[in-house]
Amino acid sequence: RKEVEQDPGPFNVPEGATVAFNCTYSNSASQSFFWYRQDCRKEPKLLMSVYSSGNEDGRFTAQLNRASQYISLLIRDSKLSDSATYLCVVTFTGFQKLVFGTGTRLLVSP
Amino acid sequence: GAVVSQHPSRVICKSGTSVKIECRSLDFQATTMFWYRQFPKQSLMLMATSNEGSKATYEQGVEKDKFLINHASLTLSTLTVTSAHPEDSSFYICSARDGSNEQFFGPGTRLTVL
Repeated sequence: RKEVEQDPGPFNVPEGATVAFNCTYSNSASQSFFWYRQDCRKEPKLLMSVYSSGNEDGRFTAQLNRASQYISLLIRDSKLSDSATYLCVVTFTGFQKLVFGTGTRLLVSP
Repeated sequence: GAVVSQHPSRVICKSGTSVKIECRSLDFQATTMFWYRQFPKQSLMLMATSNEGSKATYEQGVEKDKFLINHASLTLSTLTVTSAHPEDSSFYICSARDGSNEQFFGPGTRLTVL
């Protein structure tokens, strides 16, 4: 079983739609959680950290459920510029090793 | 955020040659740098963790004699792919960690081995 699993998609949505991505992780010792965004042939960029209390940054909301080992990302009012691959990432003690999911591809169309 | 550069951005080489990739933290000192590899439609996989002034720690399945890592200063780490073969063709990305523990990624190097 992969350490971090994501639905690869693609998710095809129209502009303005709300879309949600899910991610599960297998190691209960995972300590920190993030969503990264990766554009085609580019490096990943940190989108937001994920906390148990949930956190929101503009149109983006992230949630963590430690009991179910589940992380989610909600994007409201999708923009064309949101088209990218969204990577779920977990780390362990000491923030040393980032473990990436395979990513979920989002395509927002006019 | 902090800036990390990689050079070259793209390299094409013949099978059997060695290729060196540089990773630099431009505006901060990085005691730890990381090297990842990403094959098409796959996730980034950590290859090794590089600590300044000491030997790199390689992930399981990564050949340390094939992927030579040197972290000679707080702003530079290099990855040398020795005797490259077509199966080594991939997107190699480095990251550097600043004092806040956030990792900043370089723009990546696309290696094509013919």
